[in-house]
Amino acid sequence: GIQVEQSPPDLILQEGANSTLRCNFSDSVNNLQWFHQNPWGQLINLFYIPSGTKQNGRLSATTVATERYSLLYISSSQTTDSGVYFCAVGIIGSEIQGAQKLVFGQGTRLTINP
Amino acid sequence: DTEVTQTPKHLVMGMTNKKSLKCEQHMGHRAMYWYKQKAKKPPELMFVYSYEKLSINESVPSRFSPECPNSSLLNLHLHALQPEDSALYLCASSLDVVGLAEGKSSYNEQFFGPGTRLTVL
Repeated sequence: GIQVEQSPPDLILQEGANSTLRCNFSDSVNNLQWFHQNPWGQLINLFYIPSGTKQNGRLSATTVATERYSLLYISSSQTTDSGVYFCAVGIIGSEIQGAQKLVFGQGTRLTINP
Repeated sequence: DTEVTQTPKHLVMGMTNKKSLKCEQHMGHRAMYWYKQKAKKPPELMFVYSYEKLSINESVPSRFSPECPNSSLLNLHLHALQPEDSALYLCASSLDVVGLAEGKSSYNEQFFGPGTRLTVL
């Protein structure tokens, strides 16, 4: 099956720093999503980005589908940015109905210290 | 409104109990999903429902029984669970399951509920 690799696994930064998180995937995908999981377990949608570049405030993301990777940029980090960041790729899970499923990477655990 | 709700938030059950998890969305989404997440691991897909029909079952043991009574509601019935089934159970929904054709590229974006934290004693 498809492999989704995220790096780095852990990242510790001071408040105000910038960071880049990477997601590599081993095969063509239908879509790609970035999530932030907060300490209570809620998965928060950051970007739906099968290709191209998007920006939302201090966060931006770029997916280069032909080279099978995506990057998430966080600028001017705040302590509330702490948590686990997941990349998830969408693939066809059922040929009969074309139903899609998300396959998650292992995540990057980000800690922002004050 | 991009809200998926799940009840209960926490559940403790014995191995002989029968319980149910509930998930609800009122966004008009036609696809709904159950994921299981163990501690310090990523979510893993269990089931996908599309237009109220089961589309994907990721070889989940029969002690987990999904049900989709209508397009807004998804249940997960639990029976004779094992302690290793303790986990965070996440529900998600999307407008549709496919969507790259005809410009509907965001139809399969998934939105997650807050989860039910299940402990099996």
